[in-house]
Amino acid sequence: GQNIDQPTEMTATEGAIVQINCTYQTSGFNGLFWYQQHAGEAPTFLSYNVLDGLEEKGRFSSFLSRSKGYSYLLLKELQMKDSASYLCAVRDGSWYALNFGKGTSLLVTP
Amino acid sequence: DGGITQSPKYLFRKEGQNVTLSCEQNLNHDAMYWYRQDPGQGLRLIYYSQIVNDFQKGDIAEGYSVSREKKESFPLTVTSAQKNPTAFYLCASRTGNTIYFGEGSWLTVV
Repeated sequence: GQNIDQPTEMTATEGAIVQINCTYQTSGFNGLFWYQQHAGEAPTFLSYNVLDGLEEKGRFSSFLSRSKGYSYLLLKELQMKDSASYLCAVRDGSWYALNFGKGTSLLVTP
Repeated sequence: DGGITQSPKYLFRKEGQNVTLSCEQNLNHDAMYWYRQDPGQGLRLIYYSQIVNDFQKGDIAEGYSVSREKKESFPLTVTSAQKNPTAFYLCASRTGNTIYFGEGSWLTVV
């Protein structure tokens, strides 16, 4: 089985930087994904990490350490529209199982 | 436009009734998935299909059924055996390392 943990809620200020952590314990590993989900909408793909290190994509970056079972999503220059839930998901050895954490609800305040 | 279309967006079911949620994609993706999302919870896998005429149970398949007669279509039936069906249902398809989601369907039991 897989266990994926993320903080339930976070609050940050517009223009600031926020880091959302994700830890996982898995029987296999073939990649970690981050998705953004606004309330009542479908998740949208943000990033994919399969090797250790930092992947940067505009204001969003994602980091992975496979030895530590740890990832984070870094959001820079926060905007009000970044208020959403951020889902961490881990793929094991097959595409049968893309297992999701419960999500982190991020509130960006003025 | 290419994408994943789910219908209906909102559906009310009386207890004891079966209902079917539609999922159609024109992305030419082989793999398709159904997830369920409850408030404050992560996505949980109901069924998945890697190719036409083949599908497999996910983690919470009890009370649900699917078919995959065409590549484009992967309907989900919520049967009366599903005791707590009120949830947000997400259909998805995959290409390469990325899973794309439809807009979701809200099912409420009245």
